[in-house]
Amino acid sequence: AIQMTQSPSSLSASVGDRVTITCRASQGIRNDLGWYQQKPGKAPQLLIYAASSLQSGVPSRFSGSGSGTDFTLTISSLQPEDFATYYCLQDYNYPYTFGQGTKLEIK
Amino acid sequence: QVQLVESGGGVVQPGRSLGLSCAASGFTFSSYAMHWVRQAPGKGLEWVAVISYDGRNKYYADSVKGRFTISRDNSKNTLYLRMNSLRVEDTAVYYCAREGEQLDYWGQGTLVTVSS
Repeated sequence: AIQMTQSPSSLSASVGDRVTITCRASQGIRNDLGWYQQKPGKAPQLLIYAASSLQSGVPSRFSGSGSGTDFTLTISSLQPEDFATYYCLQDYNYPYTFGQGTKLEIK
Repeated sequence: QVQLVESGGGVVQPGRSLGLSCAASGFTFSSYAMHWVRQAPGKGLEWVAVISYDGRNKYYADSVKGRFTISRDNSKNTLYLRMNSLRVEDTAVYYCAREGEQLDYWGQGTLVTVSS
């Protein structure tokens, strides 16, 4: 199975900051990667698919980049509602695998 | 609007079985692959299983292979997960999700607790 290594596992930041979260695949996965946001007690929500495509309805401050083995999720200017946990997911092959998550907390 | 509603969770003893359902509405269910994803308390997301739009192809995580069975009834717009030989480590919230571009719609989840 493809291993997805996400970093950092936690991150403290302030409103207005620019933050970057990374995901590294154990083998090349083209651009078959998505990013999800999850708030406590809620289901995950898709932010980015195909590494860099913004899901409908997601604010443009979210962006994704990368291909092959290295990927990033960037939030250009943190808003209060962005404090949550973020996960990457590879859909290159089965079994699909998630990164271990990044908890974004208020500084 | 797209809706996915899971049901069937509860408390079950180790070694027993449980079945989950996911009722879909607001889209052409028979056109989409469907997934189950779970999340143990305080832990990250774990992909569990997928079934193709027509039910012909199924794939499982190694952790559930041989114990869990994913199925669907396109006439009823419903996805299922049959869980046998349950273990304490299967305790989790189970989500169903639609595969559009990645997993684009998710249900609210149903909690399965495996405990003696």
